[in-house]
Amino acid sequence: DVQMTQSPSSLSASVGDRVTITCRASQDISNYLAWYQQKPGKVPKLLIYAASTLQSGVPSRFSGSGSGTDFTLTISSLQPEDVATYYCQKYNSALFTFGPGTKVDIK
Amino acid sequence: EVQLLESGGALVQPGGSLRLSCAASGFTFSSYAMSWVRQAPGKGLEWVSIISGSGGGTYYADSVKGRFTISRDNSKNTLYLQMETLRVEDTAVYYCAKAVGNSARYYFDYWGQGTLVTVSS
Repeated sequence: DVQMTQSPSSLSASVGDRVTITCRASQDISNYLAWYQQKPGKVPKLLIYAASTLQSGVPSRFSGSGSGTDFTLTISSLQPEDVATYYCQKYNSALFTFGPGTKVDIK
Repeated sequence: EVQLLESGGALVQPGGSLRLSCAASGFTFSSYAMSWVRQAPGKGLEWVSIISGSGGGTYYADSVKGRFTISRDNSKNTLYLQMETLRVEDTAVYYCAKAVGNSARYYFDYWGQGTLVTVSS
């Protein structure tokens, strides 16, 4: 089975900072990767699919990149409302594994 | 507006059974695969199962294979998860999610509010 890892597991940054989260697959998954945001006490929300395509309505400060085994989610200018846990999910086959999550908060 | 409303969560003893439901609206239900994803208290997301739009194709995580059964009634726009032989480690909030994609390659664009299943004696 393909394993998904994320780094860091948590981070603290200042408002306006550029934040980068990494997701790594144990095997090549092409670009079949999605990113989700889960704010405290809330339901997960789709941010990005196909590694780099922004879901409709998601602010443009969010971007995704990567292919194969290494992927990144970037927040270009961190906002207070971005405090959340971010999960990657692979979907190249019918075992839709999520990464363990990266918790982002404000310094 | 897409709406997904789960129900059926409860406190159940180990070894017990439970059926979850998810009522969908705001989209052509039969045209989309649907999935269950769970989240144990304080933990991350774990994909559980998915069913194709027609109901003819189903997949399960290894952790629930043989114990859980996903199904759907397209005439009622409702998704189900029948859970048998429940274990303490099945305790979680169970989300239903609308799936986008094809050929068993899906991501999840809408999620319900979740229903809590607690397995405890």
